[in-house]
Amino acid sequence: DAGVTQSPTHLIKTRGQQVTLRCSPKSGHDTVSWYQQALGQGPQFIFQYYEEEERQRGNFPDRFSGHQFPNYSSELNVNALLLGDSALYLCASSRSPTSTKEKLFFGSGTQLSVL
Amino acid sequence: AQSVTQPDIHITVSEGASLELRCNYSYGATPYLFWYVQSPGQGLQLLLKYFSGDTLVQGIKGFEAEFKRSQSSFNLRKPSVHWSDAAEYFCAVDAANQAGTALIFGKGTTLSVSS
Repeated sequence: DAGVTQSPTHLIKTRGQQVTLRCSPKSGHDTVSWYQQALGQGPQFIFQYYEEEERQRGNFPDRFSGHQFPNYSSELNVNALLLGDSALYLCASSRSPTSTKEKLFFGSGTQLSVL
Repeated sequence: AQSVTQPDIHITVSEGASLELRCNYSYGATPYLFWYVQSPGQGLQLLLKYFSGDTLVQGIKGFEAEFKRSQSSFNLRKPSVHWSDAAEYFCAVDAANQAGTALIFGKGTTLSVSS
């Protein structure tokens, strides 16, 4: 049973560019959350998708957007990249959006470097 | 607002020695608390969680944690550390948003194990 898979594993972009990161949730999971982990910091919640809609959002600007597909996979898009967007982006999936009692499974992340 | 503090940025422990990683949280009610471990190049793996009931919780890999409401703490312990325990450890609290599963993470503690 594959866990949470993310692609690509590494990415290098230039300031001002746009980037799309992808996530496939664990089998049986219908909810996907995205986190940003800057170097030396803990992960910060970006947003969560369930039933193809954004259900909850953290303190991130509108440059960060997402999408969830009917097969529950998800994309994270970041427009107008800034140097400060350089981070490890983690995807987490769960069976339910309503409670953290449902265990979150994390992917290995996409390391984004903005030059 | 909820917050999590991990006072120790880096800890070195001899193999076979005991370990305690500190975590303090700020939250008005009984929180949901978690400890995650992250090895280099890997995603986050859940070690243990506390929702209610017995304040001493057992997790995977021989870890345990004790919830102390009076001290707003949820410290992680292991009686005998193995070299493979070297990793980054994150304490997290449920953001208590009824609509989602957003976690608030501490900045992490890096554990090094010496032989």
